Amino acid sequence: AQTVTQSQPEMSVQEAETVTLSCTYDTSESDYYLFWYKQPPSRQMILVIRQEAYKQQNATENRFSVNFQKAAKSFSLKISDSQLGDAAMYFCAFTYTGTASKLTFGTGTRLQVTL
Amino acid sequence: EAQVTQNPRYLITVTGKKLTVTCSQNMNHEYMSWYRQDPGLGLRQIYYSMNVEVTDKGDVPEGYKVSRKEKRNFPLILESPSPNQTSLYFCASSSTSGRARNEQFFGPGTRLTVL
Repeated sequence: AQTVTQSQPEMSVQEAETVTLSCTYDTSESDYYLFWYKQPPSRQMILVIRQEAYKQQNATENRFSVNFQKAAKSFSLKISDSQLGDAAMYFCAFTYTGTASKLTFGTGTRLQVTL
Repeated sequence: EAQVTQNPRYLITVTGKKLTVTCSQNMNHEYMSWYRQDPGLGLRQIYYSMNVEVTDKGDVPEGYKVSRKEKRNFPLILESPSPNQTSLYFCASSSTSGRARNEQFFGPGTRLTVL
């Protein structure tokens, strides 16, 4: 079974600075998807970014980018030019490719953004 | 607007009193799933459904039931709730085909407290 590990329970960043959230995973599969979800105080789960394992190019979405290291099974999220609205819980998640299947989540990293 | 809805959003009940949390999606998705979120544990899958009348257990199914009589609805049933089922519950859905087949859309969450 796959596992997802987020080793940073909490992180803090100053507004306009850059922060990187770490995620590692363990799987024997070669074809899968990885995601970062944001959960603000409203508790809504918001998809931030996704990465297909077969793609070597790292995904980017505006200020959000990932560093995907398949051999190391690492999938970190970089937030550039941090904003107060980025303060939230961030979850890393994994799913197999193919017919829809469950997401396996990490335990989350709470990000604080300070002035 | 494409969305997943859940009701109720908040529920306080007592041990042993049967309850149902409804989930509905308007995206014609085949796959639907229930997760629970607990502090320090991330989100864990309870049950899932690949299509109408097809359901299966996730990682933490004990104490829960589901049904999928219609494609759009996937209710979560707690026949005899216990305090250890106090949690935040999410319903999610996704397509089982096409590029977006592994992208799950989440409902707003249901905060359940069992006294």
